[in-house]
This record gives sequence, structure tokens and C-alpha cells, in this order.
Amino acid sequence: DQQVKQNSPSLSVQEGRISILNCDYTNSMFDYFLWYKKYPAEGPTFLISISSIKDKNEDGRFTVFLNKSAKHLSLHIVPSQPGDSAVYFCAASGSNTGKLIFGQGTTLQVKP
Amino acid sequence: DGGITQSPKYLFRKEGQNVTLSCEQNLNHDAMYWYRQDPGQGLRLIYYSQIVNDFQKGDIAEGYSVSREKKESFPLTVTSAQKNPTAFYLCASSIFGQGAEAFFGQGTRLTVV
Repeated sequence: DQQVKQNSPSLSVQEGRISILNCDYTNSMFDYFLWYKKYPAEGPTFLISISSIKDKNEDGRFTVFLNKSAKHLSLHIVPSQPGDSAVYFCAASGSNTGKLIFGQGTTLQVKP
Repeated sequence: DGGITQSPKYLFRKEGQNVTLSCEQNLNHDAMYWYRQDPGQGLRLIYYSQIVNDFQKGDIAEGYSVSREKKESFPLTVTSAQKNPTAFYLCASSIFGQGAEAFFGQGTRLTVV
């Protein structure tokens, strides 16, 4: 059973526009959510996180929104840049363990 | 400078052989993790360790073994019992606690022929 799901395998947007990446989860015990960015043949790098007590967290061009009732989170990138082209993973963790459960990833392509 | 190091970057082994992937960190993190990435399946947790001399199975531990004799090191052995070992393996570490971000190594691409 997939506890964290990213249902869109890929997304293509024009440079300067908004990119919205979505993530759904099933385990109500998750209380921290993180987004990672990954280039091919490299390890993921941390982007931004949000605690379940918040509904929004912003860091520069990146904003994460959390809707606990819908068990849904999204990552907004504004404005999108060609260098943002990568695979984006959402991840979740519960309060009793630090282990992260990852989604399948969404490949973002930002076209110049 | 601090970081997490995986070696080697590429590894080739014959079917039926055990192989050990190295992971070292100098971030003074308590927790370490091993993930496997396959196309279209994201990152799946193999094993994790929250403290020296202790580790727990993740979602896909069968055919793998680990040890945590030192805080800095968390080697992963891919045994001959692992049915489909060819994959990209990622090691990570974090401070132990709620919401702690994990720092990843550069990964090891294992190919079994």
C-alpha cells in the first residue's frame, strides 16, 4: 500500500509560469512533510518542509500548502525556471520515527 | 566539509555474489537510512538505524543486511537472496527527531550481470 502518492508522473510548464506539484497521503499519523528535488544519478536535495500544525510554508520561490482534511499537499514554484527541471519527491514522516516515506516522484520540465 | 559519502558510484557484480555498499557521514547524525530507487517507484526504504548497534527493517528489507557498529558508518550488503538487485541505492542521514530533513549521498548504481 502506497502511503504517499504523487499521481502525476510528469509536468511541463513554460518558464516564468507557476509549477504546481501535488501529493496525497493516506496515513493520518504523518505530521511532517518534505519536498526533495533530484537530478539523474544524484542524491535528492531538500527543498522545503511543513509541519502538520501549519497550512503554508514559504521559502523564496517555493511554497508548500497542506490540506490536512483532504490529506493533500502541494508545492508551488513561482516563477518557474529552466534550472528547476528535475524530479520532485514528496515525503512524510510520523511523530515516533524519523524515517521518511516517499512518493513516486513527478518529473518537472520547465521550457525556456 | 561535512557530508555523506557513498562509494563506489558504479558497481558491477556477477549474479549470486554478495556485495557491500559503503556509506559514511561526518555530520554527527544519529539516524541513517538506505533507500532503493527503481524507475516509476520512487524511493523505497530498505533499512534504517536510529542509533549505533540498532537498526530496523524498512519496507523492502528481504535480501539485504546492514550493520551499524559506528555512528559514522552504515554499510549495506546486497545478498544473493535479493531477487532483483540492479538498482540505484541511496544512503541518507538525519538528526533523530520529528520532521528532521534527511541528507542524501550521491548514490551507488549497482548492476548485476
